[in-house]
Amino acid sequence: DVKVTQSSRYLVKRTGEKVFLECVQDMDHENMFWYRQDPGLGLRLIYFSYDVKMKEKGDIPEGYSVSREKKERFSLILESASTNQTSMYLCASSTRDSSSYEQYFGPGTRLTVT
Amino acid sequence: AQSVAQPEDQVNVAEGNPLTVKCTYSVSGNPYLFWYVQYPNRGLQFLLKYITGDNLVKGSYGFEAEFNKSQTSFHLKKPSALVSDSALYFCAVRDMGGTYKYIFGTGTRLKVLA
Repeated sequence: DVKVTQSSRYLVKRTGEKVFLECVQDMDHENMFWYRQDPGLGLRLIYFSYDVKMKEKGDIPEGYSVSREKKERFSLILESASTNQTSMYLCASSTRDSSSYEQYFGPGTRLTVT
Repeated sequence: AQSVAQPEDQVNVAEGNPLTVKCTYSVSGNPYLFWYVQYPNRGLQFLLKYITGDNLVKGSYGFEAEFNKSQTSFHLKKPSALVSDSALYFCAVRDMGGTYKYIFGTGTRLKVLA
Protein backbone atom coordinates (compact mmCIF):
# COMPACT_ATOMS: atom_id res chain seq x y z
CA ASP A 1 0.00 0.00 0.00
CA VAL A 2 1.04 3.54 -0.69
CA LYS A 3 2.03 5.32 2.45
CA VAL A 4 2.24 9.06 2.89
CA THR A 5 3.38 10.22 6.30
CA GLN A 6 3.43 13.69 7.81
CA SER A 7 5.80 14.70 10.57
CA SER A 8 3.18 15.83 13.09
CA ARG A 9 -0.53 15.26 13.62
CA TYR A 10 -0.96 18.32 15.82
CA LEU A 11 1.23 21.39 16.11
CA VAL A 12 0.90 24.59 18.12
CA LYS A 13 3.12 27.53 17.20
CA ARG A 14 3.35 31.20 18.09
CA THR A 15 2.86 34.09 15.71
CA GLY A 16 6.08 34.92 13.91
CA GLU A 17 7.69 31.49 14.33
CA LYS A 18 9.13 29.64 11.37
CA VAL A 19 7.26 26.36 10.92
CA PHE A 20 8.34 23.26 9.03
CA LEU A 21 5.88 20.59 7.93
CA GLU A 22 7.38 17.49 6.41
CA CYS A 23 5.86 14.87 4.16
CA VAL A 24 7.36 11.58 3.05
CA GLN A 25 5.97 9.06 0.54
CA ASP A 26 7.26 5.57 -0.07
CA MET A 27 5.93 4.80 -3.56
CA ASP A 28 8.45 6.62 -5.71
CA HIS A 29 5.79 9.07 -6.89
CA GLU A 30 6.92 11.93 -9.07
CA ASN A 31 4.25 14.43 -7.99
CA MET A 32 3.73 15.80 -4.52
CA PHE A 33 1.25 18.39 -3.25
CA TRP A 34 0.49 20.54 -0.22
CA TYR A 35 -3.08 21.59 0.51
CA ARG A 36 -4.79 23.39 3.32
CA GLN A 37 -8.29 22.39 4.34
CA ASP A 38 -10.71 24.84 5.93
CA PRO A 39 -14.41 24.29 6.68
CA GLY A 40 -16.61 25.34 3.78
CA LEU A 41 -13.64 25.97 1.50
CA GLY A 42 -12.63 22.42 0.69
CA LEU A 43 -9.01 21.77 -0.23
CA ARG A 44 -6.93 24.59 -1.59
CA LEU A 45 -3.62 23.93 -3.28
CA ILE A 46 -0.64 25.75 -1.79
CA TYR A 47 2.27 24.33 -3.80
CA PHE A 48 3.05 21.25 -5.80
CA SER A 49 6.14 19.60 -7.21
CA TYR A 50 6.44 17.32 -10.20
CA ASP A 51 10.10 16.48 -9.75
CA VAL A 52 13.02 16.88 -7.39
CA LYS A 53 13.96 20.54 -6.93
CA MET A 54 10.95 21.59 -9.03
CA LYS A 55 8.05 23.50 -7.55
CA GLU A 56 4.97 25.28 -8.81
CA LYS A 57 2.71 27.73 -7.03
CA GLY A 58 -0.80 26.63 -6.37
CA ASP A 59 -3.79 28.83 -5.68
CA ILE A 60 -2.73 30.24 -2.29
CA PRO A 61 1.10 30.31 -2.07
CA GLU A 62 1.42 33.60 -0.16
CA GLY A 63 3.17 33.16 3.17
CA TYR A 64 4.45 29.68 2.29
CA SER A 65 7.46 28.15 0.61
CA VAL A 66 8.43 24.56 -0.18
CA SER A 67 11.48 22.39 -0.60
CA ARG A 68 11.97 19.15 -2.44
CA GLU A 69 15.56 17.96 -2.23
CA LYS A 70 14.73 14.26 -2.48
CA LYS A 71 12.03 12.52 -4.47
CA GLU A 72 10.30 11.06 -1.44
CA ARG A 73 10.23 14.20 0.70
CA PHE A 74 8.31 17.45 0.28
CA SER A 75 8.50 20.12 2.96
CA LEU A 76 6.17 23.05 3.54
CA ILE A 77 7.62 26.09 5.29
CA LEU A 78 5.72 28.91 6.93
CA GLU A 79 8.33 31.66 7.02
CA SER A 80 6.58 33.69 9.73
CA ALA A 81 3.46 32.01 11.04
CA SER A 82 0.32 34.07 11.38
CA THR A 83 -3.02 33.27 13.00
CA ASN A 84 -4.74 33.08 9.62
CA GLN A 85 -2.54 30.10 8.82
CA THR A 86 -4.28 28.05 11.50
CA SER A 87 -5.65 25.16 9.47
CA MET A 88 -5.42 21.48 8.56
CA TYR A 89 -2.54 20.82 6.20
CA LEU A 90 -2.65 17.81 3.91
CA CYS A 91 0.15 16.36 1.85
CA ALA A 92 -0.51 14.14 -1.18
CA SER A 93 1.44 12.30 -3.85
CA SER A 94 0.63 10.81 -7.22
CA THR A 95 2.34 9.11 -10.10
CA ARG A 96 2.51 10.41 -13.66
CA ASP A 97 1.28 7.03 -14.91
CA SER A 98 -1.77 7.81 -17.02
CA SER A 99 -3.64 4.78 -15.71
CA SER A 100 -3.30 5.88 -12.11
CA TYR A 101 -3.79 9.58 -11.61
CA GLU A 102 -5.36 9.36 -8.17
CA GLN A 103 -3.71 11.11 -5.27
CA TYR A 104 -2.68 9.48 -2.01
CA PHE A 105 -2.98 11.59 1.11
CA GLY A 106 -1.21 11.74 4.41
CA PRO A 107 -3.15 11.89 7.70
CA GLY A 108 -2.87 15.65 7.94
CA THR A 109 -1.30 18.12 10.35
CA ARG A 110 -3.61 20.34 12.35
CA LEU A 111 -1.67 23.55 12.92
CA THR A 112 -2.74 26.13 15.45
CA VAL A 113 -0.98 29.50 15.47
CA THR A 114 -1.55 31.54 18.62
CA ALA B 1 -11.32 28.02 -15.65
CA GLN B 2 -11.93 24.49 -14.49
CA SER B 3 -14.15 24.00 -11.47
CA VAL B 4 -16.04 21.49 -9.39
CA ALA B 5 -19.28 22.09 -7.51
CA GLN B 6 -20.83 20.09 -4.74
CA PRO B 7 -24.21 21.77 -4.26
CA GLU B 8 -25.08 20.14 -0.92
CA ASP B 9 -23.17 20.87 2.27
CA GLN B 10 -24.85 17.94 4.00
CA VAL B 11 -26.87 14.90 2.98
CA ASN B 12 -28.87 12.86 5.48
CA VAL B 13 -30.06 9.37 4.65
CA ALA B 14 -31.50 6.49 6.66
CA GLU B 15 -29.45 3.33 7.00
CA GLY B 16 -30.37 0.83 4.29
CA ASN B 17 -31.63 3.50 1.90
CA PRO B 18 -29.84 4.43 -1.31
CA LEU B 19 -27.61 7.50 -1.16
CA THR B 20 -26.50 10.05 -3.73
CA VAL B 21 -23.87 12.75 -3.29
CA LYS B 22 -23.89 15.24 -6.14
CA CYS B 23 -20.99 16.69 -8.12
CA THR B 24 -20.93 18.82 -11.26
CA TYR B 25 -17.86 19.98 -13.09
CA SER B 26 -16.69 22.46 -15.67
CA VAL B 27 -13.62 21.58 -17.73
CA SER B 28 -12.28 22.06 -21.19
CA GLY B 29 -11.73 18.75 -22.90
CA ASN B 30 -12.29 15.31 -21.42
CA PRO B 31 -12.47 15.28 -17.64
CA TYR B 32 -10.57 13.08 -15.23
CA LEU B 33 -12.87 12.82 -12.21
CA PHE B 34 -12.37 11.47 -8.70
CA TRP B 35 -14.19 10.87 -5.44
CA TYR B 36 -12.46 10.85 -2.07
CA VAL B 37 -13.76 10.21 1.45
CA GLN B 38 -12.45 11.71 4.67
CA TYR B 39 -13.20 10.22 8.07
CA PRO B 40 -12.78 12.39 11.20
CA ASN B 41 -9.19 13.48 11.85
CA ARG B 42 -7.90 11.52 8.89
CA GLY B 43 -6.52 12.31 5.45
CA LEU B 44 -8.51 11.75 2.29
CA GLN B 45 -8.93 8.22 0.91
CA PHE B 46 -9.42 7.52 -2.78
CA LEU B 47 -12.80 5.93 -3.61
CA LEU B 48 -13.05 5.82 -7.39
CA LYS B 49 -12.20 7.59 -10.63
CA TYR B 50 -13.43 8.15 -14.14
CA ILE B 51 -10.78 8.45 -16.82
CA THR B 52 -12.44 6.92 -19.85
CA GLY B 53 -14.72 4.02 -20.75
CA ASP B 54 -17.94 2.96 -19.02
CA ASN B 55 -20.00 5.77 -17.60
CA LEU B 56 -20.72 3.75 -14.45
CA VAL B 57 -17.61 3.41 -12.34
CA LYS B 58 -17.38 1.07 -9.36
CA GLY B 59 -15.11 1.78 -6.44
CA SER B 60 -14.28 0.90 -2.86
CA TYR B 61 -16.76 0.05 -0.07
CA GLY B 62 -19.65 -0.56 -2.51
CA PHE B 63 -19.67 2.96 -3.92
CA GLU B 64 -20.19 3.75 -7.57
CA ALA B 65 -20.43 6.92 -9.63
CA GLU B 66 -22.13 7.78 -12.87
CA PHE B 67 -20.42 10.02 -15.38
CA ASN B 68 -22.93 12.06 -17.39
CA LYS B 69 -21.25 14.15 -20.06
CA SER B 70 -24.37 16.00 -21.20
CA GLN B 71 -25.17 17.11 -17.64
CA THR B 72 -21.48 17.52 -16.69
CA SER B 73 -22.13 15.50 -13.56
CA PHE B 74 -20.36 12.76 -11.63
CA HIS B 75 -22.68 11.79 -8.79
CA LEU B 76 -21.57 9.32 -6.13
CA LYS B 77 -24.05 6.56 -5.28
CA LYS B 78 -24.50 3.55 -3.06
CA PRO B 79 -27.50 1.23 -3.15
CA SER B 80 -27.73 0.72 0.62
CA ALA B 81 -26.16 3.16 3.08
CA LEU B 82 -24.37 2.10 6.26
CA VAL B 83 -23.90 4.17 9.41
CA SER B 84 -20.15 3.71 8.86
CA ASP B 85 -20.44 5.59 5.55
CA SER B 86 -20.93 8.80 7.53
CA ALA B 87 -18.01 11.01 6.52
CA LEU B 88 -16.98 13.99 4.40
CA TYR B 89 -16.92 13.35 0.66
CA PHE B 90 -14.95 15.32 -1.92
CA CYS B 91 -15.27 15.38 -5.68
CA ALA B 92 -12.19 16.40 -7.68
CA VAL B 93 -11.17 16.97 -11.29
CA ARG B 94 -7.68 16.90 -12.69
CA ASP B 95 -6.56 19.98 -14.53
CA MET B 96 -5.97 18.96 -18.14
CA GLY B 97 -4.31 22.23 -19.00
CA GLY B 98 -0.79 20.83 -18.88
CA THR B 99 -0.20 20.89 -15.13
CA TYR B 100 -0.60 18.17 -12.54
CA LYS B 101 -3.10 20.14 -10.48
CA TYR B 102 -6.36 18.87 -9.10
CA ILE B 103 -9.40 21.00 -8.30
CA PHE B 104 -11.53 19.91 -5.34
CA GLY B 105 -15.12 20.65 -4.47
CA THR B 106 -16.00 22.09 -1.07
CA GLY B 107 -17.11 18.73 0.29
CA THR B 108 -20.42 17.15 1.28
CA ARG B 109 -20.97 15.77 4.74
CA LEU B 110 -22.92 12.52 4.60
CA LYS B 111 -24.81 11.49 7.70
CA VAL B 112 -26.37 8.04 7.74
CA LEU B 113 -28.99 7.69 10.45
CA ALA B 114 -29.56 4.40 12.23
